[in-house]
Amino acid sequence: GQQVMQIPQYQHVQEGEDFTTYCNSSTTLSNIQWYKQRPGGHPVFLIQLVKSGEVKKQKRLTFQFGEAKKNSSLHITATQTTDVGTYFCAGNGYSWGKLQFGAGTQVVVTP
Amino acid sequence: EAGVTQFPSHSVIEKGQTVTLRCDPISGHDNLYWYRRVMGKEIKFLLHFVKESKQDESGMPNNRFLAERTGGTYSTLKVQPAELEDSGVYFCASSQGKGRADTGELFFGEGSRLTVL
Repeated sequence: GQQVMQIPQYQHVQEGEDFTTYCNSSTTLSNIQWYKQRPGGHPVFLIQLVKSGEVKKQKRLTFQFGEAKKNSSLHITATQTTDVGTYFCAGNGYSWGKLQFGAGTQVVVTP
Repeated sequence: EAGVTQFPSHSVIEKGQTVTLRCDPISGHDNLYWYRRVMGKEIKFLLHFVKESKQDESGMPNNRFLAERTGGTYSTLKVQPAELEDSGVYFCASSQGKGRADTGELFFGEGSRLTVL
């Protein structure tokens, strides 16, 4: 079946450092979404990317959708303790009709 | 505006017992989804309602799981009889998305944590 793979599964970051999490799909996606789940919380929508090669920024977060619409990345600059949580990508396939989530990247920030 | 609400927030039951989880989506959202996250793994799709109809139930693990959405409002997910591997956090989400390839933003509830002993 279709799969959305996400790496790394775990990221330990020093406060102030940058990091990137990657998402790959086995099939072409119509769009991809990113969610953040704080410890003990529920996933909260961050952004949706639709166009091939699209890049969107939200303050220190930069989201990118690959040219082939099969991969995506989230880059966070100058990590802060408020960035702690698990970041999920979720892909929407043309024939899926539903979001397929990756396993998430759990981010731990050390002050 | 109220968000997606789920009840109970936590349920502890013994193997073989029955549990019913409830989800109230955001008013006006036709699309309602059930997802499950087990022990830090991916958020796994269970099923999708459009109003009261099951659009896709391909993610339901087996016939011990029964989901309903009578009247197209709230939904229930019943597990009967519960097994150990059913433990996890069950998330409900709703969306306004139209069309097969665009679910739109999902609004998640706080989740119902199920522990089967």
